[in-house]
Amino acid sequence: GENVEQHPSTLSVQEGDSAVIKCTYSDSASNYFPWYKQELGKGPQLIIDIRSNVGEKKDQRIAVTLNKTAKHFSLHITETQPEDSAVYFCAPRDDKIIFGKGTRLHILP
Amino acid sequence: KAGVTQTPRYLIKTRGQQVTLSCSPISGHRSVSWYQQTPGQGLQFLFEYFSETQRNKGNFPGRFSGRQFSNSRSEMNVSTLELGDSALYLCASSSGQGGNQPQHFGDGTRLSIL
Repeated sequence: GENVEQHPSTLSVQEGDSAVIKCTYSDSASNYFPWYKQELGKGPQLIIDIRSNVGEKKDQRIAVTLNKTAKHFSLHITETQPEDSAVYFCAPRDDKIIFGKGTRLHILP
Repeated sequence: KAGVTQTPRYLIKTRGQQVTLSCSPISGHRSVSWYQQTPGQGLQFLFEYFSETQRNKGNFPGRFSGRQFSNSRSEMNVSTLELGDSALYLCASSSGQGGNQPQHFGDGTRLSIL
């Protein structure tokens, strides 16, 4: 079956520094690559997504890069702030829906 | 525009009982998906409905079922509850069917089995 791996599982960065989370997938048919952020007591919220015909997308402090050949895509957060502390999930898909195990991001003051 | 609404937010049941959870999607969205979230297994896909038809199904036993109504609202039912069914159940809606649509999640129903 399809395999989705997310690394690291936990990440602590100093406020103002950058954070990078990587998602590796096995299904070459995947054509949509979203990242979700989940805060305590809330459902996941889409923060950025990219489709298979694009290599990089940026939205203010958040960016996603896609390497379809290597089957991985990454979330980049620059100038991290306390409100970035949350759990982040990748969910590459075509028709199958599989989420990564999540990365808990801690922003240290 | 109102977001995805799930009711109830919290539910306590005992083993052997059954439960029905409700999800109202964003207005205009016709696709509704259900997920189970636990600390050990993460987010696992249960099923997806589009225009009242189940389009996709995860690897859960037949005790887990769902349906979608003509107004796109959806319910999921779990029968013969087990302790391991304790989880956060999340519903997500999207505007279209298929894999390349952003999903909008509700805040979930937390189900506890005693």
